[in-house]
Amino acid sequence: QKEVEQNSGPLSVPEGAIASLNCTYSDRGSQSFFWYRQYSGKSPELIMFIYSNGDKEDGRFTAQLNKASQYVSLLIRDSQPSDSATYLCAVNPLTQGAQKLVFGQGTRLTINP
Amino acid sequence: EPEVTQTPSHQVTQMGQEVILRCVPISNHLYFYWYRQILGQKVEFLVSFYNNEISEKSEIFDDQFSVERPDGSNFTLKIRSTKLEDSAMYFCATRGWGEQYFGPGTRLTVT
Repeated sequence: QKEVEQNSGPLSVPEGAIASLNCTYSDRGSQSFFWYRQYSGKSPELIMFIYSNGDKEDGRFTAQLNKASQYVSLLIRDSQPSDSATYLCAVNPLTQGAQKLVFGQGTRLTINP
Repeated sequence: EPEVTQTPSHQVTQMGQEVILRCVPISNHLYFYWYRQILGQKVEFLVSFYNNEISEKSEIFDDQFSVERPDGSNFTLKIRSTKLEDSAMYFCATRGWGEQYFGPGTRLTVT
C-alpha cells in the first residue's frame, strides 16, 4: 500500500513568519513530488513540484526533497493571510504509464494577521 | 492561461440513476485523470486515460464506472447506477509532459 502521510494540523503561523509543511511517503521508488493548495470547497491548485533531491525555490515557496529519508517539505516565507488553506502533498509512485498521484490527507494552515 | 473546465458544477441525482460528468482538458494535454474527494477525506485516484484507453484504474473504479473521450475534446466519467457513497467532489485532471492540473470539480450529491 503506497502511503503519503502529512500532519493534518491545524498549523497556525503569524503573518510574515515562515510556515513549514512536511510530508513522508512509503514508496522508496517514487519519482516526482507535488504540493497543491486547496481552498475550502475548491479544487487542488498546483504550487510546486520537485523531482530531484535538494531545494527548489519559486518566489515565497521552497520545496525540499530528501529521497533517502522519504521526506518532502514545503516552506512558505513571509506568510500572508491569503496563504490560509489546506496544503496537499502528492506523490507519483514508480509505475509505468500515466503516472497517477497519491495524495496525503492535507495540512490545514492558518495565517494569523 | 489554459485551464481544465468541468460541467456541471453541481449534480443532484437519486440513487440508482446514471450520471455523466464532463471535462474539457487543456488542449495540448495527452493524459487525463479522474479523482474524487469525499467530504473531509483525501483526494483519491480513480482512473487514468491515455491514447483513447484506460491506462490504470483504482479499486474504486468498478464496473459501475466508465470513461470515454467521445469527440476528441470532452472527457467523460459515467456512473451507471449511483449509490449514496458516490456522493463526493469529482475532479478531472490533465497532464502534458509533467504536472497534473485540476479542473474546478463537480459536486455529486446522491439522495
